[in-house]
Amino acid sequence: QKEVEQNSGPLSVPEGAIASLNCTYSDRGSQSFFWYRQYSGKSPELIMSIYSNGDKEDGRFTAQLNKASQYVSLLIRDSQPSDSATYLCADDQTGANNLFFGTGTRLTVIP
Amino acid sequence: DTEVTQTPKHLVMGMTNKKSLKCEQHMGHRAMYWYKQKAKKPPELMFVYSYEKLSINESVPSRFSPECPNSSLLNLHLHALQPEDSALYLCASRPDSSYEQYFGPGTRLTVT
Repeated sequence: QKEVEQNSGPLSVPEGAIASLNCTYSDRGSQSFFWYRQYSGKSPELIMSIYSNGDKEDGRFTAQLNKASQYVSLLIRDSQPSDSATYLCADDQTGANNLFFGTGTRLTVIP
Repeated sequence: DTEVTQTPKHLVMGMTNKKSLKCEQHMGHRAMYWYKQKAKKPPELMFVYSYEKLSINESVPSRFSPECPNSSLLNLHLHALQPEDSALYLCASRPDSSYEQYFGPGTRLTVT
């Protein structure tokens, strides 16, 4: 099993700012990448998936993938206190019928 | 129906008890997963079922016994658990067409 790494944080940003969450992965064969949001005591919720190099935007969220550098990031624009959660990065390592999760980054948006 | 459901939401059991967790989805997904999650840790894979057959067992102790009676239902049978097995147990499913996994709300298990 190869690594998916995230800064554990905590990451604190003021309300209205851009939150930037980063993730690196070691399996060059990984094809699909996912960001999950998990509120305390709740289950992970899929918020973004990205398969191709470049940016993918969905509302206030933008996922960025750079396969050459083996990193994937999530930008949250106009951060809201309701965005305060742990964000999990995951990939689908080659040949595995499963996702592999990073340790998560805890984000706090300060009103 | 676009959700994964899990019952019960909470479960407290003694170390000699036998109980079962249930997971259900009606999205036609043929891959279903059990994860265990401890506080401040990522989900940890336990079992994967693909087309109702067990395809991955991540060296889980035999006190956890999975079952997939049909394509919509996944059970996790629990017996003689230890206090360290207390955790959030998550079920997930995914469609054949992608690796996007969708999680149920989880069962919070406490072993006393």
